[in-house]
Amino acid sequence: SQTIHQWPATLVQPVGSPLSLECTVEGTSNPNLYWYRQAAGRGLQLLFYSVGIGQISSEVPQNLSASRPQDRQFILSSKKLLLSDSGFYLCAWRTGRNIQYFGAGTRLSVL
Amino acid sequence: AQKVTQAQTEISVVEKEDVTLDCVYETRDTTYYLFWYKQPPSGELVFLIRRNSFDEQNEISGRYSWNFQKSTSSFNFTITASQVVDSAVYFCALSEGYNNNDMRFGAGTRLTVKP
Repeated sequence: SQTIHQWPATLVQPVGSPLSLECTVEGTSNPNLYWYRQAAGRGLQLLFYSVGIGQISSEVPQNLSASRPQDRQFILSSKKLLLSDSGFYLCAWRTGRNIQYFGAGTRLSVL
Repeated sequence: AQKVTQAQTEISVVEKEDVTLDCVYETRDTTYYLFWYKQPPSGELVFLIRRNSFDEQNEISGRYSWNFQKSTSSFNFTITASQVVDSAVYFCALSEGYNNNDMRFGAGTRLTVKP
């Protein structure tokens, strides 16, 4: 069966510091992968998606970037965090039936 | 452009009551998919159901049921005999076309079930 892992679960970072969140999927090959952000008390906003290694599509211009160095690995990064980057970050993969399954999420606080 | 509206921000019920969460969507596509997800306090989104635009049959899964009506562009979710464990934020989502990577979520409805 397929599983998706995200880490870390919680992160507290100072403004101006770098960020690296990692997401890996097991049990499937060449999945479409997604990064979402959820601000406190809000819905989900799609940040990036990837249909294959090295292929990244950005939905919202921002202080973040994404990379897909391996088939089942998706990384969300920032060179310098802003206060507005705080939020709950979720990684997801999509099945052939167009269903997205989500990881447990990373709660990021930028102070 | 696709859009999902969940007008109910918060709902509070007492255990064993029935509750309906509303979802209204907008799309110009004839092929689209609708989803419901549950987000418990832990934060992880849990998939509940997927519906495609060509299948208007209502669906029941235990205490959960979904009413899809294209005429009113609605995909409502009912929990029968609610339980405290149903307390969560529920999201409705829409994806246009078959291979669309842009899934739009509603703002969510926070359901609190009191004992």
